[in-house]
Amino acid sequence: NAGVTQTPKFQVLKTGQSMTLQCAQDMNHEYMSWYRQDPGMGLRLIHYSVGAGITDQGEVPNGYNVSRSTTEDFPLRLLSAAPSQTSVYFCASWGTSGRAVEQFFGPGTRLTVL
Amino acid sequence: LAKTTQPISMDSYEGQEVNITCSHNNIATNDYITWYQQFPSQGPRFIIQGYKTKVTNEVASLFIPADRKSSTLSLPRVSLSDTAVYYCLVGALRNNAGNMLTFGGGTRLMVKP
Repeated sequence: NAGVTQTPKFQVLKTGQSMTLQCAQDMNHEYMSWYRQDPGMGLRLIHYSVGAGITDQGEVPNGYNVSRSTTEDFPLRLLSAAPSQTSVYFCASWGTSGRAVEQFFGPGTRLTVL
Repeated sequence: LAKTTQPISMDSYEGQEVNITCSHNNIATNDYITWYQQFPSQGPRFIIQGYKTKVTNEVASLFIPADRKSSTLSLPRVSLSDTAVYYCLVGALRNNAGNMLTFGGGTRLMVKP
């Protein structure tokens, strides 16, 4: 299994540009989430999904859109990039089988907005 | 959401046991306690999860007192490779998935030779 994959690994945008960060998992997990992590800080939840077709907002959803059309994919869209969105973005997935709930994280996308 | 409080940083030396305590005074009945480890430029990695008393795996132990208002992650005989940020999360496993997704600032552990 590849686990959780994210593309691209690095991206530079200009203010006002839009783009989509891709996230995919091959573990058949129901839940997926997007976080951002600013330098020296903890992770902050942007959006999450409890299943295909169901998404909800996290702590910092403004400026981001998500959709979950399949179990495997959970793309994050930046509608109009701003310098404040410069951060590292992590995608995670987890299932509900078994006693422990373990989130599996992708390698991250490092985004710079100029 | 059950808020957690952890020390910002800790220092230790190789071979020592490290205990990191997390306070979660308003933990709910259905909430579990989960710890993650994060190395620089990587996503967090699950370490251990528990509900009450003591849980042990090949990496760490988790001690939870009867009132569950705090928990302690214990790392036996740390090495330089244990230098990382450690996060404590509290929330229900299956209902209100958002509860399980609140990362605080974490504890930055520095292991010295």
